Amino acid sequence: EVHLLESGGGLVQPGGSLRLSCAASGFSFDNYWMSWVRQAPGKGLEWVANIKPDGGEQNYVDSVKGRFAISRDNAKNSLYLQMNSLRAEDTAVYFCVRGGQGAYYNGLRWGQGTLVTVSS
Amino acid sequence: DIVMTQSPLSLPVTPGEPASISCRSSQSLLHSSGNHYLDWYLQKPGQSPQLLIYLVSNRASGVPDRFSGSGSGTDFTLKISRVEAEDVGVYYCVQVLQTPLTFGGGTKVEIK
Repeated sequence: EVHLLESGGGLVQPGGSLRLSCAASGFSFDNYWMSWVRQAPGKGLEWVANIKPDGGEQNYVDSVKGRFAISRDNAKNSLYLQMNSLRAEDTAVYFCVRGGQGAYYNGLRWGQGTLVTVSS
Repeated sequence: DIVMTQSPLSLPVTPGEPASISCRSSQSLLHSSGNHYLDWYLQKPGQSPQLLIYLVSNRASGVPDRFSGSGSGTDFTLKISRVEAEDVGVYYCVQVLQTPLTFGGGTKVEIK
């Protein structure tokens, strides 16, 4: 069974930094694309970033480019999101999401999420 | 970026009655493989989104057969043949054809 456990959320001041982690289990982590998706309070879902299975390619939504960095450690079955220069509009629950495996795709799998609050 | 438009925004339903949600994309979601890269997810209150349907019409493991998906090109539909109380929540369509992945705005299903 796929299991994704996020951690690292919390309260941070505007301009501050935070690093989110996601521990994956129940599947071959190094075979899958991984993403971060966020949800602001009371709002819909917004894809933030993704990373190729070997870590060799990363993509970002325009609003976080230059501020956020996605990475992974396949030896530790872990995904990360380094968030710098945080803004109030980055306040959201951040979900770790498993994507596709090469040409094979059978849907996204989601963690429970971790809340990031950016406020002074 | 591909824009995803869902309707209706809100859907009051009577248990046992059918329900239907529409999702439209700003460009075709057809991949060279012949599959359309469109999924449906349900987010129940206080929970993370859960997969219902992937690649337009494939039910995820454990999803009741009262849920079905259809469509092609840019127009897609999620149908619930007979709504049950446990089906309440917000339904999202999402295109997974290209980055950035983009979601519909959501349809809130509630019991009348």
